[in-house]
Amino acid sequence: DAGITQSPRHKVTETGTPVTLRCHQTENHRYMYWYRQDPGHGLRLIHYSYGVKDTDKGEVSDGYSVSRSKTEDFLLTLESATSSQTSVYFCAISEKQGPSTDTQYFGPGTRLTVL
Amino acid sequence: AQKITQTQPGMFVQEKEAVTLDCTYDTSDQSYGLFWYKQPSSGEMIFLIYQGSYDEQNATEGRYSLNFQKARKSANLVISASQLGDSAMYFCAMREPYGGSQGNLIFGKGTKLSVKP
Repeated sequence: DAGITQSPRHKVTETGTPVTLRCHQTENHRYMYWYRQDPGHGLRLIHYSYGVKDTDKGEVSDGYSVSRSKTEDFLLTLESATSSQTSVYFCAISEKQGPSTDTQYFGPGTRLTVL
Repeated sequence: AQKITQTQPGMFVQEKEAVTLDCTYDTSDQSYGLFWYKQPSSGEMIFLIYQGSYDEQNATEGRYSLNFQKARKSANLVISASQLGDSAMYFCAMREPYGGSQGNLIFGKGTKLSVKP
């Protein structure tokens, strides 16, 4: 199993509060991703990173920011949480040396509830 | 825009029988990759199998095989000899071409497979 951890695993917060989710990997993979999973939508990409301090937006980036100061850590921040951001958040990593080695491996997920 | 369609929201299969989960995709690119992931009730996303658009043979991984029909733009997952532990959500995903999007994945909405004893 790929060494990916997410913290916290569960969080309940109130509307308007800031929230930071952490993804930590021990694989030294260059690429990291944040997805959200909602019923009826599958997984949708929020932000991704292609190296330290190199990040870009995904399909559903509004209301989210990310940072990557070290290879192993990728942080997702909700500056002011809203109820629409209640979801399960997954981090993923990939090595991306070529098409045959760019499989994304997922962390265990974080269940976030915004009241 | 690229798109993944899984038309079967839910399926049932008898234990020890084979089952096919459908996936069609839409892209105008020649180079792409197709993935299947399994999500059991415990919630983790487990990588099952990968097929590259230039691969001439269908991918296989143990009891999983990918029935890749490029002209029809379909990438169906076949599970042979179903087991109770195969009960889960299954997601088909396509890798966008490299370039500005850095090869990100687009997911279908999933198929819930239930294996009956």
